[in-house]
Amino acid sequence: DAKTTQPPSMDCAEGRAANLPCNHSTISGNEYVYWYRQIHSQGPQYIIHGLKNNETNEMASLIITEDRKSSTLILPHATLRDTAVYYCIVNFGNEKLTFGTGTRLTIIP
Amino acid sequence: ETGVTQTPRHLVMGMTNKKSLKCEQHLGHNAMYWYKQSAKKPLELMFVYSLEERVENNSVPSRFSPECPNSSHLFLHLHTLQPEDSALYLCASSQDRFGGVHGYTFGSGTRLTVV
Repeated sequence: DAKTTQPPSMDCAEGRAANLPCNHSTISGNEYVYWYRQIHSQGPQYIIHGLKNNETNEMASLIITEDRKSSTLILPHATLRDTAVYYCIVNFGNEKLTFGTGTRLTIIP
Repeated sequence: ETGVTQTPRHLVMGMTNKKSLKCEQHLGHNAMYWYKQSAKKPLELMFVYSLEERVENNSVPSRFSPECPNSSHLFLHLHTLQPEDSALYLCASSQDRFGGVHGYTFGSGTRLTVV
Protein backbone atom coordinates (compact mmCIF):
# COMPACT_ATOMS: atom_id res chain seq x y z
CA ASP A 1 0.00 0.00 0.00
CA ALA A 2 1.24 3.47 -0.88
CA LYS A 3 2.10 5.56 2.17
CA THR A 4 1.62 8.87 0.35
CA THR A 5 -0.79 10.35 -2.18
CA GLN A 6 0.23 13.16 -4.51
CA PRO A 7 -1.51 14.77 -7.49
CA PRO A 8 0.00 13.45 -10.71
CA SER A 9 0.68 16.87 -12.17
CA MET A 10 0.57 20.60 -11.44
CA ASP A 11 1.37 23.82 -13.23
CA CYS A 12 2.72 27.01 -11.69
CA ALA A 13 3.54 30.39 -13.21
CA GLU A 14 7.16 31.46 -13.13
CA GLY A 15 7.92 33.72 -10.19
CA ARG A 16 4.94 32.53 -8.17
CA ALA A 17 5.01 30.20 -5.19
CA ALA A 18 4.56 26.53 -6.04
CA ASN A 19 2.65 24.61 -3.37
CA LEU A 20 2.87 20.84 -3.71
CA PRO A 21 0.52 18.83 -1.48
CA CYS A 22 1.04 15.36 -0.07
CA ASN A 23 -1.36 13.22 1.92
CA HIS A 24 0.05 10.68 4.37
CA SER A 25 -2.92 9.86 6.57
CA THR A 26 -1.42 6.62 7.93
CA ILE A 27 1.87 8.16 9.01
CA SER A 28 3.32 6.83 12.27
CA GLY A 29 4.53 9.03 15.08
CA ASN A 30 8.21 8.46 14.33
CA GLU A 31 8.06 8.63 10.55
CA TYR A 32 9.66 11.53 8.74
CA VAL A 33 8.37 13.28 5.64
CA TYR A 34 11.03 13.56 2.94
CA TRP A 35 10.88 15.45 -0.34
CA TYR A 36 13.04 14.74 -3.35
CA ARG A 37 12.81 16.00 -6.91
CA GLN A 38 13.99 14.57 -10.21
CA ILE A 39 14.75 16.79 -13.13
CA HIS A 40 14.38 15.07 -16.47
CA SER A 41 16.95 12.30 -17.06
CA GLN A 42 18.89 13.10 -13.87
CA GLY A 43 19.05 11.40 -10.51
CA PRO A 44 16.70 12.48 -7.71
CA GLN A 45 17.83 15.36 -5.52
CA TYR A 46 17.14 15.66 -1.80
CA ILE A 47 15.17 18.82 -0.98
CA ILE A 48 14.06 18.79 2.64
CA HIS A 49 12.62 16.61 5.39
CA GLY A 50 10.75 17.09 8.64
CA LEU A 51 9.12 15.25 11.51
CA LYS A 52 6.62 17.55 13.25
CA ASN A 53 7.79 21.11 12.93
CA ASN A 54 7.80 23.19 9.78
CA GLU A 55 11.18 23.34 8.11
CA THR A 56 12.89 25.77 5.77
CA ASN A 57 16.16 25.67 3.87
CA GLU A 58 17.65 27.43 0.88
CA MET A 59 15.57 25.38 -1.54
CA ALA A 60 12.11 25.16 -0.04
CA SER A 61 9.80 25.19 2.96
CA LEU A 62 7.96 22.20 4.36
CA ILE A 63 4.67 22.73 6.15
CA ILE A 64 3.35 19.75 8.12
CA THR A 65 -0.18 19.86 9.51
CA GLU A 66 -0.63 19.50 13.23
CA ASP A 67 -2.13 16.02 12.89
CA ARG A 68 0.74 15.15 10.52
CA LYS A 69 -1.64 13.59 8.01
CA SER A 70 -0.61 15.90 5.22
CA SER A 71 2.14 18.28 4.24
CA THR A 72 2.94 20.91 1.64
CA LEU A 73 6.23 21.63 -0.05
CA ILE A 74 6.58 25.29 -0.97
CA LEU A 75 8.95 26.64 -3.58
CA PRO A 76 8.66 30.37 -2.84
CA HIS A 77 9.61 31.82 -6.24
CA ALA A 78 9.43 29.13 -8.88
CA THR A 79 11.78 29.28 -11.84
CA LEU A 80 11.84 27.27 -15.05
CA ARG A 81 14.60 25.13 -13.54
CA ASP A 82 12.15 23.93 -10.90
CA THR A 83 10.28 21.93 -13.53
CA ALA A 84 10.66 18.35 -12.28
CA VAL A 85 8.92 15.38 -10.70
CA TYR A 86 8.57 15.91 -6.95
CA TYR A 87 8.42 12.91 -4.63
CA CYS A 88 6.95 12.93 -1.12
CA ILE A 89 8.23 9.97 0.90
CA VAL A 90 7.33 8.86 4.39
CA ASN A 91 10.08 6.96 6.11
CA PHE A 92 11.28 6.12 9.59
CA GLY A 93 14.74 7.31 8.62
CA ASN A 94 16.13 3.85 9.26
CA GLU A 95 14.80 2.02 6.23
CA LYS A 96 15.32 1.99 2.49
CA LEU A 97 13.99 4.84 0.41
CA THR A 98 10.99 3.86 -1.71
CA PHE A 99 9.75 6.18 -4.46
CA GLY A 100 6.21 6.50 -5.76
CA THR A 101 5.10 8.25 -8.94
CA GLY A 102 5.30 11.80 -7.54
CA THR A 103 3.91 15.07 -8.90
CA ARG A 104 5.10 16.37 -12.24
CA LEU A 105 5.46 20.14 -11.70
CA THR A 106 5.65 22.32 -14.78
CA ILE A 107 6.67 25.95 -14.41
CA ILE A 108 4.98 28.09 -17.06
CA PRO A 109 6.91 31.13 -18.41
CA GLU B 1 28.10 17.77 -9.45
CA THR B 2 26.54 15.83 -6.59
CA GLY B 3 29.61 13.97 -5.35
CA VAL B 4 28.36 10.73 -6.87
CA THR B 5 29.79 10.09 -10.34
CA GLN B 6 28.46 7.49 -12.73
CA THR B 7 30.10 6.29 -15.93
CA PRO B 8 29.32 5.92 -18.71
CA ARG B 9 26.41 8.36 -19.08
CA HIS B 10 25.05 6.44 -22.05
CA LEU B 11 25.56 2.83 -23.09
CA VAL B 12 24.23 0.82 -26.00
CA MET B 13 24.88 -2.90 -25.85
CA GLY B 14 23.83 -6.04 -27.65
CA MET B 15 22.11 -8.90 -25.86
CA THR B 16 25.25 -11.02 -25.97
CA ASN B 17 27.61 -8.33 -24.70
CA LYS B 18 29.16 -7.97 -21.27
CA LYS B 19 29.53 -4.47 -19.87
CA SER B 20 29.91 -2.78 -16.51
CA LEU B 21 28.48 0.37 -14.99
CA LYS B 22 30.65 2.27 -12.54
CA CYS B 23 29.74 4.49 -9.62
CA GLU B 24 32.13 6.46 -7.44
CA GLN B 25 31.30 8.65 -4.45
CA HIS B 26 33.55 11.22 -2.82
CA LEU B 27 31.33 11.93 0.18
CA GLY B 28 32.72 9.51 2.74
CA HIS B 29 29.41 7.64 2.80
CA ASN B 30 29.18 4.06 4.01
CA ALA B 31 26.18 2.84 2.01
CA MET B 32 25.63 2.63 -1.73
CA TYR B 33 22.66 1.64 -3.85
CA TRP B 34 21.64 0.70 -7.37
CA TYR B 35 18.22 1.80 -8.61
CA LYS B 36 16.55 1.10 -11.95
CA GLN B 37 14.13 3.54 -13.57
CA SER B 38 12.21 2.27 -16.57
CA ALA B 39 10.11 4.56 -18.71
CA LYS B 40 6.91 5.70 -16.98
CA LYS B 41 7.70 3.67 -13.85
CA PRO B 42 8.85 4.62 -10.34
CA LEU B 43 12.40 4.01 -9.28
CA GLU B 44 13.03 0.40 -8.26
CA LEU B 45 15.65 -0.43 -5.68
CA MET B 46 17.94 -3.22 -6.94
CA PHE B 47 20.81 -3.60 -4.48
CA VAL B 48 21.99 -2.12 -1.20
CA TYR B 49 25.56 -2.23 0.08
CA SER B 50 26.56 -1.18 3.56
CA LEU B 51 30.24 -1.08 4.49
CA GLU B 52 30.99 -3.04 1.30
CA GLU B 53 28.64 -5.86 2.25
CA ARG B 54 25.52 -6.56 0.20
CA VAL B 55 22.60 -6.24 2.57
CA GLU B 56 19.72 -6.31 0.13
CA ASN B 57 18.98 -7.87 -3.24
CA ASN B 58 15.46 -7.16 -4.40
CA SER B 59 14.84 -10.24 -6.55
CA VAL B 60 17.05 -8.94 -9.31
CA PRO B 61 17.82 -11.39 -12.16
CA SER B 62 21.29 -12.92 -12.11
CA ARG B 63 22.22 -11.19 -15.38
CA PHE B 64 22.80 -8.16 -13.12
CA SER B 65 25.80 -8.68 -10.84
CA PRO B 66 26.86 -5.97 -8.38
CA GLU B 67 30.32 -5.52 -6.93
CA CYS B 68 31.47 -3.21 -4.16
CA PRO B 69 35.26 -3.42 -3.80
CA ASN B 70 35.42 -0.58 -1.28
CA SER B 71 33.13 2.01 0.27
CA SER B 72 33.77 4.53 -2.52
CA HIS B 73 33.13 2.35 -5.55
CA LEU B 74 30.19 0.35 -6.80
CA PHE B 75 29.89 -1.59 -10.04
CA LEU B 76 27.00 -3.23 -11.85
CA HIS B 77 28.16 -5.97 -14.20
CA LEU B 78 25.79 -6.72 -17.05
CA HIS B 79 25.62 -9.83 -19.25
CA THR B 80 23.10 -11.36 -21.63
CA LEU B 81 20.59 -8.57 -21.04
CA GLN B 82 17.17 -8.31 -22.64
CA PRO B 83 15.66 -5.31 -24.43
CA GLU B 84 13.29 -4.78 -21.48
CA ASP B 85 16.36 -4.08 -19.32
CA SER B 86 16.76 -0.79 -21.16
CA ALA B 87 16.40 1.90 -18.51
CA LEU B 88 18.11 4.63 -16.52
CA TYR B 89 20.35 3.03 -13.88
CA LEU B 90 20.98 5.24 -10.90
CA CYS B 91 23.57 4.95 -8.19
CA ALA B 92 23.11 6.57 -4.80
CA SER B 93 25.00 6.81 -1.54
CA SER B 94 24.17 7.76 2.02
CA GLN B 95 25.92 8.23 5.31
CA ASP B 96 24.64 4.89 6.56
CA ARG B 97 22.34 2.20 5.21
CA PHE B 98 19.32 4.04 6.54
CA GLY B 99 19.90 7.32 4.84
CA GLY B 100 21.18 9.54 7.58
CA VAL B 101 20.11 13.11 8.20
CA HIS B 102 20.51 14.31 4.63
CA GLY B 103 19.03 11.34 2.84
CA TYR B 104 20.45 9.86 -0.30
CA THR B 105 22.74 11.52 -2.84
CA PHE B 106 22.19 10.30 -6.38
CA GLY B 107 24.39 10.28 -9.42
CA SER B 108 23.17 11.41 -12.83
CA GLY B 109 22.62 7.86 -14.00
CA THR B 110 23.59 5.68 -16.95
CA ARG B 111 21.07 5.51 -19.77
CA LEU B 112 21.25 1.90 -20.95
CA THR B 113 19.82 0.70 -24.25
CA VAL B 114 19.84 -3.01 -25.04
CA VAL B 115 19.51 -3.84 -28.72
